[in-house]
Amino acid sequence: DAGVTQSPTHLIKTRGQQVTLRCSPISGHKSVSWYQQVLGQGPQFIFQYYEKEERGRGNFPDRFSARQFPNYSSELNVNALLLGDSALYLCASSLAPHAGLTYEQYFGPGTRLTVT
Amino acid sequence: AQSVTQLGSHVSVSEGALVLLRCNYSSSVPPYLFWYVQYPNQGLQLLLKYTSAATLVKGINGFEAEFKKSETSFHLTKPSAHMSDAAEYFCAVSGRVDTPLVFGKGTRLSVIA
Repeated sequence: DAGVTQSPTHLIKTRGQQVTLRCSPISGHKSVSWYQQVLGQGPQFIFQYYEKEERGRGNFPDRFSARQFPNYSSELNVNALLLGDSALYLCASSLAPHAGLTYEQYFGPGTRLTVT
Repeated sequence: AQSVTQLGSHVSVSEGALVLLRCNYSSSVPPYLFWYVQYPNQGLQLLLKYTSAATLVKGINGFEAEFKKSETSFHLTKPSAHMSDAAEYFCAVSGRVDTPLVFGKGTRLSVIA
């Protein structure tokens, strides 16, 4: 079975530009979460979506937005890019926001964003 | 609110030696606890998880972790390190309902031949 897929793998943007990152969850998973991982740090929660609705938002500015589509894939958008937005952006999928004892998130390989 | 502290940003062990990676957590509710591994230029792979069943949790690749409520710890161990274990390891905590994973800063494990 295919795991979580993300595209693109890498991209380079200039300050002030906008970027869209894409994520396809594992088949059957309805929840998608986005994390930002700055070099040398652990992942930090950005958004969680379940059944196309936002279920949680981390401490990120309004320049960050996301959405989930009817097929449960998701996009993360970042506007007015700053140098500090350079990071690995990870997408994770799970059956539900909380699946009892089976709460488990499966991570994709990430998109490496470099802002120059 | 939840938080995780991983003691030691870098741990180096000899091949065949015991691996011990330390994690302490803080949580206002009974926690779920996780260990993930990240190889260079890859995403995160779940090693094991604690979800209030047995306090000693066995995971993949010979790793295990013990939940100690009194010490608020969830340390990761492996009896004998392999070269292939060299990677970044992250401890994470979440609450029981609709709360995201909160990660520690990670511990880089080096294995010396």
